[in-house]
Amino acid sequence: GDSVTQMEGPVTLSEEAFLTINCTYTATGYPSLFWYVQYPGEGLQLLLKATKADDKGSNKGFEATYRKETTSFHLEKGSVQVSDSAVYFCALSDATSGTYKYIFGTGTRLKVLA
Amino acid sequence: GAVVSQHPSRVICKSGTSVKIECRSLDFQATTMFWYRQFPKQSLMLMATSNEGSKATYEQGVEKDKFLINHASLTLSTLTVTSAHPEDSSFYICSGGDDNNEQFFGPGTRLTVL
Repeated sequence: GDSVTQMEGPVTLSEEAFLTINCTYTATGYPSLFWYVQYPGEGLQLLLKATKADDKGSNKGFEATYRKETTSFHLEKGSVQVSDSAVYFCALSDATSGTYKYIFGTGTRLKVLA
Repeated sequence: GAVVSQHPSRVICKSGTSVKIECRSLDFQATTMFWYRQFPKQSLMLMATSNEGSKATYEQGVEKDKFLINHASLTLSTLTVTSAHPEDSSFYICSGGDDNNEQFFGPGTRLTVL
């Protein structure tokens, strides 16, 4: 079945450092890919998404490119801030399977130090 | 973007009682609603999928008689945890799916069973 694999955290960075959180997926169809962010005690907020190969999603300085050849959707940010400290979830939605369910990765906790 | 609300945000109950959680799509019609459960520092686990006016589809291992889901309208779904026990304590998150099969997540409900 479909699955999402994320790098394990926690990831600890200094402010203004470069961030990469790896995400790879397996899917039988042509999934849409998402990154969600969860702050402590809150629900999930959509950070960015991409719906087809080579699409780049971007928001708030974060970027991720849908790479079909490597089945990856790595999250990057050039300069992190303390306020970026949160848990980041990679997810896919495979409409061609007919279920439209979201499959989530295990989440990666990011801690940014001032 | 589309907004989903949940009520209550936090609930504490005694063991053996039932608790109802509401999920509302505020500015769109959610043809499908999803209920997730999240344990501390873990990913989201899909519990069930419901379509308006029909019975929910439960994921393997989820007790349908314990977690009652009603999707009475295109803007409201409820999850009732019946005869709650301490092991049911968790963070419950709902989402609404729109006509494009994109999910919008509520802020979550933290249930504590004493």
